Amino acid sequence: DQQVKQNSPSLSVQEGRISILNCDYTNSMFDYFLWYKKYPAEGPTFLISISSIKDKNEDGRFTVFLNKSAKHLSLHIVPSQPGDSAVYFCAAREGAQKLVFGQGTRLTINP
Amino acid sequence: DVKVTQSSRYLVKRTGEKVFLECVQDMDHENMFWYRQDPGLGLRLIYFSYDVKMKEKGDIPEGYSVSREKKERFSLILESASTNQTSMYLCASNRQGARYEQYFGPGTRLTVT
Repeated sequence: DQQVKQNSPSLSVQEGRISILNCDYTNSMFDYFLWYKKYPAEGPTFLISISSIKDKNEDGRFTVFLNKSAKHLSLHIVPSQPGDSAVYFCAAREGAQKLVFGQGTRLTINP
Repeated sequence: DVKVTQSSRYLVKRTGEKVFLECVQDMDHENMFWYRQDPGLGLRLIYFSYDVKMKEKGDIPEGYSVSREKKERFSLILESASTNQTSMYLCASNRQGARYEQYFGPGTRLTVT
């Protein structure tokens, strides 16, 4: 059972426009959510996070929104840049240390 | 800067071989993790360790074991490699408590033939 789901395997966006990546989860006990970015042949790197007690967190061009009632979070990147092309994973914290990851969404930014 | 290193970037092994994947972190982190990444499945946790000689099973521990004899080093062992263990293996670490982000190594692409 996939507790964290990213239903879009890929997304293509024009440079300068907004990229919106979505993530759904089923476990209401998750208390912290994170987004990671992964380039080919590299490990994932942490991008941004949000506590379950908040509904928005912003860091520069990146904003994460959390809708607890819908069990849905999204990552907004604006404006999108070519260097943003990567695979994005959302993750949710379960228990003290464990993270549960989604399947990933491949974002391609077109010039 | 946190650095997590993995012993090999690419590895090719034969079915039935015993395989060791090594991971070292240099930030004195208490927690270390092993994941595998497969297309369409994301990252799945195999094992993790929150202290030396301590280990806990993740979501897919079958066919794997781990060893943590020193704080900075966490090894993943495939006792008898099988073709369905062909995958990208990622090691991660983090500090216990305050922050939750995990720092990842570059990964080992293991092919079992």
